[in-house]
Amino acid sequence: NAGVTQTPKFQVLKTGQSMTLQCAQDMNHEYMSWYRQDPGMGLRLIHYSVGAGITDQGEVPNGYNVSRSTTEDFPLRLLSAAPSQTSVYFCASRTETGNYEQYFGPGTRLTVT
Amino acid sequence: AQSVTQPDIHITVSEGASLELRCNYSYGATPYLFWYVQSPGQGLQLLLKYFSGDTLVQGIKGFEAEFKRSQSSFNLRKPSVHWSDAAEYFCAVGLLGGGYNKLIFGAGTRLAVHP
Repeated sequence: NAGVTQTPKFQVLKTGQSMTLQCAQDMNHEYMSWYRQDPGMGLRLIHYSVGAGITDQGEVPNGYNVSRSTTEDFPLRLLSAAPSQTSVYFCASRTETGNYEQYFGPGTRLTVT
Repeated sequence: AQSVTQPDIHITVSEGASLELRCNYSYGATPYLFWYVQSPGQGLQLLLKYFSGDTLVQGIKGFEAEFKRSQSSFNLRKPSVHWSDAAEYFCAVGLLGGGYNKLIFGAGTRLAVHP
């Protein structure tokens, strides 16, 4: 049982480049979400999904796209990277009901130059 | 608007000393409250959570937290800190809306432990 996995661990992009951050979970969780972590600001919700085919915006969605074609995977796409998107990105998942604990992946550290 | 405040950005304690990390929240209803810990270069691990019932909750690694409704607080405590407790600690409030539990995080408190 791997939990929540994220790839890559580190990435450097040039302004304007695109890329996809991968997230997968093997716990059959319906809910998945993406957060970014910036110094002094805690974690902020970017996008979330309540199940395959259903996504919605969080606090800071601009510049990011998501899709959810399967229960297991929830990729985050940066279409045109900007220096303001330099951050550490965390994916999380949780079960649909009862225990609201979110399980976090190890993170992806992204630098945009 | 909902918010979480962790007043202390950095705290340094000696190994074996007691610890209290402060957390205040702003939310109209009774919240779901969480404390997470993040070791350097790692993801977040849940220490404990409060949903309802007993206002003193026990967590992993010897941590506990007390929910005080009158003070809108959920402070984290440990009676004797170990060097391995050095990490960043995040308080979060869980919001129910649109069928989803969203987490609003505080800015975090970085804990250093002197030997």
